[in-house]
Amino acid sequence: EAQVTQNPRYLITVTGKKLTVTCSQNMNHEYMSWYRQDPGLGLRQIYYSMNVEVTDKGDVPEGYKVSRKEKRNFPLILESPSPNQTSLYFCASRGLQGRNYGYTFGSGTRLTVV
Amino acid sequence: RKEVEQDPGPFNVPEGATVAFNCTYSNSASQSFFWYRQDCRKEPKLLMSVYSSGNEDGRFTAQLNRASQYISLLIRDSKLSDSATYLCAVNEGWNDYKLSFGAGTTVTVRA
Repeated sequence: EAQVTQNPRYLITVTGKKLTVTCSQNMNHEYMSWYRQDPGLGLRQIYYSMNVEVTDKGDVPEGYKVSRKEKRNFPLILESPSPNQTSLYFCASRGLQGRNYGYTFGSGTRLTVV
Repeated sequence: RKEVEQDPGPFNVPEGATVAFNCTYSNSASQSFFWYRQDCRKEPKLLMSVYSSGNEDGRFTAQLNRASQYISLLIRDSKLSDSATYLCAVNEGWNDYKLSFGAGTTVTVRA
């Protein structure tokens, strides 16, 4: 089944403790992206990647890092999480030719930083 | 001004009714437009792309108005299962990778 898989689905952590949210897609997609969703603000793009080793900042990159060492994986790293990073996070991917097909999203990771 | 703006609603409609709502975007160079459906904080799922000439998928019709920079979604013969939040998404001009989303329009269909 074609899908984007995120882990974990739920995570509660403490301020300052480094964490990684993994994202993997099995569709051989070139484009991958991370979004966060907060009430009233909608989905905001954190980082995106056009292909292996090619990444760029989205609208809200502060406090986050990403890497794209393999085509299928695009982990999101929070080096020192803070409470304002409590949010619902989505990873998404899209193929090179999929301009009119939009992104396919993972099931989401609900992160709470205390 | 936000890149993409939507009326948050909620739109409360009876089964069988027609409901329509718009989404405005600020970048006149945007090329790709989409409607997504999101259920109760689950992942957004692509409902349909929006083409220049407008397009229809069953009970759903999407339109693009480039002159006024908005897209619209019309749902005919509403079903209870259409209750959801509808997100519009617009790419950022010629940057195909940056997809900006509206905050969503909530639709509730009542029996």
